[in-house]
Amino acid sequence: GQQLNQSPQSMFIQEGEDVSMNCTSSSIFNTWLWYKQDPGEGPVLLIALYKAGELTSNGRLTAQFGITRKDSFLNISASIPSDVGIYFCAGPTNAGGTSYGKLTFGQGTILTVHP
Amino acid sequence: KAGVTQTPRYLIKTRGQQVTLSCSPISGHRSVSWYQQTPGQGLQFLFEYFSETQRNKGNFPGRFSGRQFSNSRSEMNVSTLELGDSALYLCASSLAAVYNEQFFGPGTRLTVL
Repeated sequence: GQQLNQSPQSMFIQEGEDVSMNCTSSSIFNTWLWYKQDPGEGPVLLIALYKAGELTSNGRLTAQFGITRKDSFLNISASIPSDVGIYFCAGPTNAGGTSYGKLTFGQGTILTVHP
Repeated sequence: KAGVTQTPRYLIKTRGQQVTLSCSPISGHRSVSWYQQTPGQGLQFLFEYFSETQRNKGNFPGRFSGRQFSNSRSEMNVSTLELGDSALYLCASSLAAVYNEQFFGPGTRLTVL
């Protein structure tokens, strides 16, 4: 089935540094979603991308929909301690002929920010 | 607008028991999806409901079932609990079938002893 590979698996950075993470797939995705999850909570939608090549920002976050439609990137600028968490990429999956309500998620990138 | 709510937040059960989890979507959202999250398998899709109909199902055994009510609220049930069912169960709602943006609730942490 469709799988998403996220890298890196974890990152340890200093406050103020920029962060880059990416997500790749062997299959084409028509939508890329980026979520952040804090411990014990559900994922929170950060950015949604719908067109190949699209670059979208949400505050200090910027995400891009790769032109091959098989990858996406998330950048965080000037990181702060509250950026700590797990970041997931996700996309709708067509396995079985329907993608109704089904998102496939990457394994997540664990971000640690040292003050 | 209130977000997705899930009850209960925490649950402890023993093997062989059954459990029912509840999800109230964002007002106006008619699609509700359920996911299981574990450290080993990550986030895995269970099923999706729209207008009281299950339209999509993941690769989980028949012990996992769900339903949706006319007000879009949804429940999932797990019968004959196994130790491996211990997980965070997440519900997500979206505005309509064609929109892929899903908004998650805080989850129900199920522990099976």
